[in-house]
Amino acid sequence: QVQLVQSGAEVKKPGASVKVSCKASGYTFTSYGISWVRQAPGQGLEWMGWISAYNGNTNYAQKLQGRVTMTTDTSTSTAYMELRSLRSDDTAVYYCARDSCTGGVCFIDYWGQGTLVTVSS
Amino acid sequence: QSVLTQPPSASGTPGQRVTISCSGSSSNIGSNYVYWYQQLPGTAPKLLIYRNNQRPSGVPDRFSGSKSGTSASLAISGLRSEDEADYYCASWDDSLSGWVFGGGTKLPVL
Repeated sequence: QVQLVQSGAEVKKPGASVKVSCKASGYTFTSYGISWVRQAPGQGLEWMGWISAYNGNTNYAQKLQGRVTMTTDTSTSTAYMELRSLRSDDTAVYYCARDSCTGGVCFIDYWGQGTLVTVSS
Repeated sequence: QSVLTQPPSASGTPGQRVTISCSGSSSNIGSNYVYWYQQLPGTAPKLLIYRNNQRPSGVPDRFSGSKSGTSASLAISGLRSEDEADYYCASWDDSLSGWVFGGGTKLPVL
């Protein structure tokens, strides 16, 4: 069965960086993409960007351009999301999710369990 | 403020039929598929409807989706207590080149 297992909760100070990992299993990692979505406390879902596990191509949300980097390690079927220059409004649960594509149409089908990142001085 | 517009809340009693609306624009719902996700309290979202009206295996046929123009809706019939959750619509936005979500609809089952 498809599983996405994320790293544990983090507490960071403003201005610091955080790197969240997402280990995939139960499918061929390089045949799908990985999206990252975050959810601030009590708020809705916000798409952060996407990375192809096949060739490493990325597409970041304009709002986060310059602060976010998404990478993959195909040898361990793991995706990473690094967010820099953290601010208090970056406090959120960060989800990785699998992008499934058929006939050129892609959508998010499976989600990780989420990683809480708290930014506080 | 979310790109897609959903009512913040809906409500129903067991056995009832409830619908949740999702409004967008020509750059998202108007030209791309709509997806619905269910988020039970304290858990990650789960795919409920894909490509406007398709159900993944394991999703009961009590859940159905539809789309017309730049709007979509999710219907839940025979409401059950375990349907108490937040529901989010999503679509690809051609102008933003990214996924956009609705603000979510909280559904208590009274």
